[in-house]
Amino acid sequence: DGGITQSPKYLFRKEGQNVTLSCEQNLNHDAMYWYRQDPGQGLRLIYYSQIVNDFQKGDIAEGYSVSREKKESFPLTVTSAQKNPTAFYLCASSLPGQGIYEQYFGPGTRLTVT
Amino acid sequence: AQKVTQAQTEISVVEKEDVTLDCVYETRDTTYYLFWYKQPPSGELVFLIRRNSFDEQNEISGRYSWNFQKSTSSFNFTITASQVVDSAVYFCALSDSYSSSNTGKLIFGQGTTLQVKP
Repeated sequence: DGGITQSPKYLFRKEGQNVTLSCEQNLNHDAMYWYRQDPGQGLRLIYYSQIVNDFQKGDIAEGYSVSREKKESFPLTVTSAQKNPTAFYLCASSLPGQGIYEQYFGPGTRLTVT
Repeated sequence: AQKVTQAQTEISVVEKEDVTLDCVYETRDTTYYLFWYKQPPSGELVFLIRRNSFDEQNEISGRYSWNFQKSTSSFNFTITASQVVDSAVYFCALSDSYSSSNTGKLIFGQGTTLQVKP
């Protein structure tokens, strides 16, 4: 079945450690996105990529980094510079890199940093 | 600036009641798209509908219906005869400025938590 996978579902880390969240899609979508969701809040865009080897900062990119070496994969690294990393992270993809189309979401990764 | 407002933070209804979730948006674009997503307790957002700014026809899909009114900048979502399985957080979203960026980015509202009690 086509879809978006994110692993792991729950992730625990100590403060000061970098951590990488995985996002893989087999929908042949060009565009991919990373969002952060805090309790009772909407989604805030961290980074997005419209095409392989290219990505742009979203609204809250500080303390995060990404790469887009393959069309299927868009990993997100939460660095130690991110002051409040505990959150629910959602990855999404949409068909073309250009234009407005619905985004399809993965199941999310809940990150807890203590 | 573009913005989506979902003024209802939480709604609680009893099963079989009809419920309407409000969404008001702000944009200067003449071409834009609106979306609704459902986020069940599992956390994954499920796409429900996409509507472009030139299509003001109301849409019905089973128990779900959407009322798009450009005059009031609203795109409301109604669930008829609600069921316990409808309990979720519902998000309304607006496409980022189509004319200037064409990035496919979406601007989300804060979400409305719907609880349907048996």
